[in-house]
Amino acid sequence: NAGVTQTPKFQVLKTGQSMTLQCAQDMNHEYMSWYRQDPGMGLRLIHYSVGAGITDQGEVPNGYNVSRSTTEDFPLRLLSAAPSQTSVYFCASSYRWTAGIGTDTQYFGPGTRLTVL
Amino acid sequence: SQQGEEDPQALSIQEGENATMNCSYKTSINNLQWYRQNSGRGLVHLILIRSNEREKHSGRLRVTLDTSKKSSSLLITASRAADTASYFCATAAGGAQKLVFGQGTRLTINP
Repeated sequence: NAGVTQTPKFQVLKTGQSMTLQCAQDMNHEYMSWYRQDPGMGLRLIHYSVGAGITDQGEVPNGYNVSRSTTEDFPLRLLSAAPSQTSVYFCASSYRWTAGIGTDTQYFGPGTRLTVL
Repeated sequence: SQQGEEDPQALSIQEGENATMNCSYKTSINNLQWYRQNSGRGLVHLILIRSNEREKHSGRLRVTLDTSKKSSSLLITASRAADTASYFCATAAGGAQKLVFGQGTRLTINP
């Protein structure tokens, strides 16, 4: 049981390049999410998904796309990288989101450290 | 804007002392969660408290929740050097299916 895995661990991009950050979980979790973490800003939610085929925007979605074609995978695409997207990106998953209850323990991946020059 | 706000932003204490950090939030919640993050690592879940609970314990951790004041506190008793980390609260904002984190409290335990 690998939990939540993220690749790559480190990435350097030039302004304008595109790339995909990979996230996978093997716990059959329905709820998955992407966060970015900047110094002094805590974690900010980018996009989330309550199940395969369903995605929605978080607090800071501009410049990012997601898709959820399978339960296991939730890739994050940077369309045209900008220096403002330099950050550490975390993927997380939890069992499910239940109306009126919310979600339970979130399991986090190790993160991807992205630098945009 | 973020739902949860931790206070203080940074806390430095001696090993063996107790550490208390607080979280305030803005809208009604279903539950509130606390996480720990060691430097450069992913977050690790510590404890979840539901809106109908007032206090919860897990080992050296004690969490309280006051829904009338929209606040929660995390108490770590008999602190150890290994407790040095950042601590975050997370809440679901209103009816949205989003788990939103605060900015965190950076805790340093001095030997």
